[in-house]
Amino acid sequence: AQKITQTQPGMFVQEKEAVTLDCTYDTSDPSYGLFWYKQPSSGEMIFLIYQGSYDQQNATEGRYSLNFQKARKSANLVISASQLGDSAMYFCAMRPGAAGGTSYGKLTFGQGTILTVHP
Amino acid sequence: ETGVTQSPTHLIKTRGQQVTLRCSSQSGHNTVSWYQQALGQGPQFIFQYYREEENGRGNFPPRFSGLQFPNYSSELNVNALELDDSALYLCASSDPAGESDTQYFGPGTRLTVL
Repeated sequence: AQKITQTQPGMFVQEKEAVTLDCTYDTSDPSYGLFWYKQPSSGEMIFLIYQGSYDQQNATEGRYSLNFQKARKSANLVISASQLGDSAMYFCAMRPGAAGGTSYGKLTFGQGTILTVHP
Repeated sequence: ETGVTQSPTHLIKTRGQQVTLRCSSQSGHNTVSWYQQALGQGPQFIFQYYREEENGRGNFPPRFSGLQFPNYSSELNVNALELDDSALYLCASSDPAGESDTQYFGPGTRLTVL
């Protein structure tokens, strides 16, 4: 079974500053995928960034980067140069197995972290 | 490229009724997954459909059922509604053959059971 833990119920950051949202995971699968999603108050879940368990380099997508530490089973999201529009709920999620494999792509989500960006 | 769409946006039902939620997958995606998100919680996996076949199911009772059509759109049916079924229902589509098998979500259907 997979488990995702997000220990920060809420985080505050000043506009233009960087912020790190924590995520730890637990799985017995040798391969897996890790995802971060943003959920504004409207409810839609927006994909931000993906990290495969065998990827050697940390993933980056624009202002988002994923600090992947496999031995510590952590996959923290770093948002650089925060903007007011970044205020939202952020979810870390995990999918068992490798992409293109036979394992079905069930996502297990954490409880989420509410990020508030102050002007 | 058209994203994932869901209908209706909001729905109010009474306990014991039945409901059908609909989802159109993103162009090129043959897999649809459904999730239930209670207020203040992370989404919980209900089931997934791959090429019209159920391809995995979470810990939900049989009164939660689904269907996927040849165009890869999907329906979620819930019978005998209970108060605890009140939640945001999210549909996600994906292409398992893709590099990351990323699931892209629709805007959700907010169901209220009275």
